[in-house]
Formats: sequence, C-alpha cells, structure tokens
Amino acid sequence: GNSVTQMEGPVTLSEEAFLTINCTYTATGYPSLFWYVQYPGEGLQLLLKATKADDKGSNKGFEATYRKETTSFHLEKGSVQVSDSAVYFCALSRRDFGNEKLTFGTGTRLTIIP
Amino acid sequence: NAGVTQTPKFQVLKTGQSMTLQCAQDMNHNSMYWYRQDPGMGLRLIYYSASEGTTDKGEVPNGYNVSRLNKREFSLRLESAAPSQTSVYFCASSENGQVPGELFFGEGSRLTVL
Repeated sequence: GNSVTQMEGPVTLSEEAFLTINCTYTATGYPSLFWYVQYPGEGLQLLLKATKADDKGSNKGFEATYRKETTSFHLEKGSVQVSDSAVYFCALSRRDFGNEKLTFGTGTRLTIIP
Repeated sequence: NAGVTQTPKFQVLKTGQSMTLQCAQDMNHNSMYWYRQDPGMGLRLIYYSASEGTTDKGEVPNGYNVSRLNKREFSLRLESAAPSQTSVYFCASSENGQVPGELFFGEGSRLTVL
C-alpha cells in the first residue's frame, strides 16, 4: 500500500538557520506529492506540491523536489523565521476509481527560536 | 470567505454517549472528507464522500457513521463514544480532478471521551 515516512520531530532551530525535513514515500504508480503545514490552532493548509518526477514545488521560501529515483520529497528552506513554527506534513495522492485520496506522514513539529 | 466550517470546536463526552460533528463548505466542492489526528500517527481518513449522495469508508471507519446531507454538508456521527475516539477531527473538501490532492481543511474539532 501507499505510505509516507517523514523525519521524527520535534525540530528546534534558531532564526535564519537552514531547514531540511526529510520525507520518503512508498507507492505504486506515479503519485503526486505534497507538503501541508498546520499552524497552532488551525487546520492544515497546502504549502507546496509536485505532480511528476523532477518537479520542484515552492512557496513562501520553501522548496521540495520530487525525486523518483530516491522516492523522496524533502522540504527545505534557506533561512527560517519564527513565523515558520508549525507542524509540517508530507503527503502523497493517488487516484482510486476517480477519487483522489491523500496519505499523510506523521508530521514534524518545527519550532524556531529568535 | 468561510471555506470549511466545523462545529463544535470542543466537546467532552462520557463513554457510550453519542454526538454528531457538523461540517459545511462554501466552495462548491464535490468531495468531502473526515480525518482524525492523533499524536505520532498523522492524519487518518475515516470516511469520505466523492460526490453528493455517495460515501465510502477510509482507513479507520469503525465506530463512525457519516451523512452527506447535500453538496455543502458532511456530518460525522459517533453512536456510542469510546475513549479510543478521543482525538482531533478534521473535515476537508476538494474539487476532484482540478488540482490533485489539494484539500481545504476546517479548523478541527477536539473531542475528549471520558
């Protein structure tokens, strides 16, 4: 079946540090890949996506590249801010009988200290 | 622009009590979903509705029922609550076929079963 594995948290960084959150996946076929972010007290929201191999998704300074050869979709940001403190979820999407279904990783809590 | 609205935001139940979580979306989306979020387990799909009039089981449907009342509304019912159902519940919606895997989430409903 489909699964997503992402690095265990929590992750604590100082402001302006470089961020990497690892994500690898297992899936049949060619899934689409996503990063969702959950800010405190809120629901999840889509951060970025990539729908085919070698695509790079980017948004708000975050980037992730769909690597089919390593089945990975690592999230990176060059200089984090306190406002980036949140829980980050890697996810993959497969279409079953015309219905889109997302499989989520367990989430990585990120805390940025000033 | 309300997006996805869930009620109630917080609820405490005793074992064996019943309750219904309500969800409504104003984006004219076809598909709606109920997820539960538990520490260390990410989000798991309980039920989903690909279109008005249809519902299907997700990963963890036991102990729950759903109703797709109309295109806007999708409710989740616990008939006889158990402590294992203590969780944060998220409703989400998507426009199937437009942007794969782009779900829009409500703010969540925190349920405690004593």
